[in-house]
Amino acid sequence: DAGVTQSPTHLIKTRGQHVTLRCSPISGHKSVSWYQQVLGQGPQFIFQYYEKEERGRGNFPDRFSARQFPNYSSELNVNALLLGDSALYLCASSLERGNTGELFFGEGSRLTVL
Amino acid sequence: AQSVAQPEDQVNVAEGNPLTVKCTYSVSGNPYLFWYVQYPNRGLQFLLKYITGDNLVKGSYGFEAEFNKSQTSFHLKKPSALVSDSALYFCAQKPNNAGNMLTFGGGTRLMVKP
Repeated sequence: DAGVTQSPTHLIKTRGQHVTLRCSPISGHKSVSWYQQVLGQGPQFIFQYYEKEERGRGNFPDRFSARQFPNYSSELNVNALLLGDSALYLCASSLERGNTGELFFGEGSRLTVL
Repeated sequence: AQSVAQPEDQVNVAEGNPLTVKCTYSVSGNPYLFWYVQYPNRGLQFLLKYITGDNLVKGSYGFEAEFNKSQTSFHLKKPSALVSDSALYFCAQKPNNAGNMLTFGGGTRLMVKP
């Protein structure tokens, strides 16, 4: 079975541009979460979507947005990119909303903002 | 603010020796606690979790962790380290009503030398 897949794996943008990152959860998983991992730090929670609705939001500016589609895949959008947005963006899926088990992470999309 | 502390940036251990990676948490009440491992250029992989019950939790690849409420600690342990255990280890916490909103520590790099 395929795990969590993310695209693109690497991308380079310039300040002020917009980026869209995509995530396909494990088949049957209805919850998708997004995390930002800056180099040398632990992941930070950005969003959780469950059944196509936002169920949680971390402490990120409104430049960050996301959505979940009927097939449970998800997009993370970041507008007006800043140098500080350079990071590994991780998507994680789980079966349920209020997860008491493990999250299944993809390998991430590494964003470099120049 | 909730936080997770991993006081050691790096832990060095010889192959075959026991290892401990330290973690302290700050969630009040009954926390949900997790350990994840990250190999180079990969996403995070779940190792183990504490929800309730026995304070000693056993997980994947021979790892275990001990929950200590009085010390607010959740240290990761393994009786005999392998070179292949070398990776970045993250402790995480969440309140029991926080969905998939995990708060991660800054990570500890484990280096196991032959």
